[in-house]
Amino acid sequence: DTEVTQTPKHLVMGMTNKKSLKCEQHMGHRAMYWYKQKAKKPPELMFVYSYEKLSINESVPSRFSPECPNSSLLNLHLHALQPEDSALYLCASSQDGNTIYFGEGSWLTVV
Amino acid sequence: GNSVTQMEGPVTLSEEAFLTINCTYTATGYPSLFWYVQYPGEGLQLLLKATKADDKGSNKGFEATYRKETTSFHLEKGSVQVSDSAVYFCGGTSYGKLTFGQGTILTVHP
Repeated sequence: DTEVTQTPKHLVMGMTNKKSLKCEQHMGHRAMYWYKQKAKKPPELMFVYSYEKLSINESVPSRFSPECPNSSLLNLHLHALQPEDSALYLCASSQDGNTIYFGEGSWLTVV
Repeated sequence: GNSVTQMEGPVTLSEEAFLTINCTYTATGYPSLFWYVQYPGEGLQLLLKATKADDKGSNKGFEATYRKETTSFHLEKGSVQVSDSAVYFCGGTSYGKLTFGQGTILTVHP
């Protein structure tokens, strides 16, 4: 079974807070991803890490800062977010860059 | 660039009805094609995939065949259940990038 684990499942933060979303996979996948999903829309790619190096940044505002501490972990650091950043944040991983496996997501509300 | 187009929804069916959700793609190269399912309040689950022309992906009674001649990957199920109610996303990867369709909301009534 493939498994991507995300924490926390729900997060409420103020616009001046600093928080982090965490993601872990133990499948030995070489690539990890952050996606953002708004209600009733498909996920939108934010960042891609390949072999622990940032390979794609889809012009994401600097208030979102990704970090890949090792091959199993991926973090998304959040600072000075806006209410419109409220969304479901999905982590994903892939071994071959084609078949992508998603986690359950972290529901973020910015107040 | 790559694009994926899904039939517009929402789709409402009675239990045991036949399901088809259309998906067509345009891409450079030869994309791998996927169907993902998202149940309420959850993340995306990979439902099935096909990596080359004429491949058939299948899982949980769902099927889709990669048709290169019509650039399609339509999702079908012979008899839907209430538990199949979810949002279904068609997607394709080309050169490492996954492109999604807009999603189709399926509601199955008892």
